[in-house]
Amino acid sequence: TQLLEQSPQFLSIQEGENLTVYCNSSSVFSSLQWYRQEPGEGPVLLVTVVTGGEVKKLKRLTFQFGDARKDSSLHITAAQPGDTGLYLCAGKSAGAGSYQLTFGKGTKLSVIP
Amino acid sequence: KAGVTQTPRYLIKTRGQQVTLSCSPISGHRSVSWYQQTPGQGLQFLFEYFSETQRNKGNFPGRFSGRQFSNSRSEMNVSTLELGDSALYLCASSLIPVNTEAFFGQGTRLTVV
Repeated sequence: TQLLEQSPQFLSIQEGENLTVYCNSSSVFSSLQWYRQEPGEGPVLLVTVVTGGEVKKLKRLTFQFGDARKDSSLHITAAQPGDTGLYLCAGKSAGAGSYQLTFGKGTKLSVIP
Repeated sequence: KAGVTQTPRYLIKTRGQQVTLSCSPISGHRSVSWYQQTPGQGLQFLFEYFSETQRNKGNFPGRFSGRQFSNSRSEMNVSTLELGDSALYLCASSLIPVNTEAFFGQGTRLTVV
């Protein structure tokens, strides 16, 4: 069974601070996705990273895929209250014949104004 | 274009009853996956359908079943409900199964009392 470990589980920071969320696994993934989920809503896809070492930027969010495609990080610069939510990473298994995402349990971020 | 639609949004059932949840994917999307989300376990994969065929199944008991219709709409059914089945049930659609661009619905919040 492939597992994705996310850390930290909870994070509470002041507006304007920077933060990094980690997603680690002992398994290799063909791609990894980051989602943000707000209470009572479904997860919304933020980014997909495919190539080892890949870095993608989405405004103040920077996503990195590890060289070995086993881990990823999400860095938020100058966090804002609107960034509050549950951040989930999800990996698609390398070589899988059908579509199945393995999700981490998430990092619950609270940005205090 | 319209997103993924899940109905109903909220449901309260008693133990032993059965329930059917519905998911209408984004127009043109043919793959539908179902996930169960609980605070303790996070998002767990239930099953995936493509062209009316179940292509992959997660580690859930046989009480959990699903189907997909010719218009790609999908239903999932849970029989003999248990208290532990209380969760947010999420449906995700994508163009084809191997496509990692999955879009989630808002979910159905099921409470079993």
